[in-house]
Amino acid sequence: EAGVAQSPRYKIIEKRQSVAFWCNPISGHATLYWYQQILGQGPKLLIQFQNNGVVDDSQLPKDRFSAERLKGVDSTLKIQPAKLEDSAVYLCASSFSLAGNNEQFFGPGTRLTVL
Amino acid sequence: DAKTTQPNSMESNEEEPVHLPCNHSTISGTDYIHWYRQLPSQGPEYVIHGLTSNVNNRMASLAIAEDRKSSTLILHRATLRDAAVYYCTPNTGNQFYFGTGTSLTVIP
Repeated sequence: EAGVAQSPRYKIIEKRQSVAFWCNPISGHATLYWYQQILGQGPKLLIQFQNNGVVDDSQLPKDRFSAERLKGVDSTLKIQPAKLEDSAVYLCASSFSLAGNNEQFFGPGTRLTVL
Repeated sequence: DAKTTQPNSMESNEEEPVHLPCNHSTISGTDYIHWYRQLPSQGPEYVIHGLTSNVNNRMASLAIAEDRKSSTLILHRATLRDAAVYYCTPNTGNQFYFGTGTSLTVIP
């Protein structure tokens, strides 16, 4: 079974530039999560989708971050414009459903450096 | 949010058992307790989860206190490949909350 795919793996940009990350979850997984992980901290949930609908985006800085999952499969996370404090690893995860006993499967992450 | 408290770091000798504790006194009665681990430069990896009863799988065992305010992840024989950050993360409101985890060092 193929795992969660993410691209790119690494990205370096200047502040105020834009960047987009892509995630392809495990086939058949209805729930998709984007996390931000700053060095030395645990992952912080940014947004959660169930199929193509947003379940929770309360911690997404909506003035600069946006995410979509148009067909309920792949998802993109965009930052526009980027700030220095956005330097982090962005993790995508998926699970079969929202049920609390479902495990999450994580991708390898995209390491973003904002200069 | 369900808050968790874990030791920042722990050490274990190789091939010895390791008990990783977690306090999660604010979880509700229907919140599953999940454990994940993260190796350097990788995404977190699922280890085990439970609700009330103790659970075993090929990777570890999970002991949940009767009042559910704490749990302990048990690695029966630590290997060098078990060196990672271990996160105790309750699933609250169908969301996972990660703290800073416990960094486990395995000494050869």
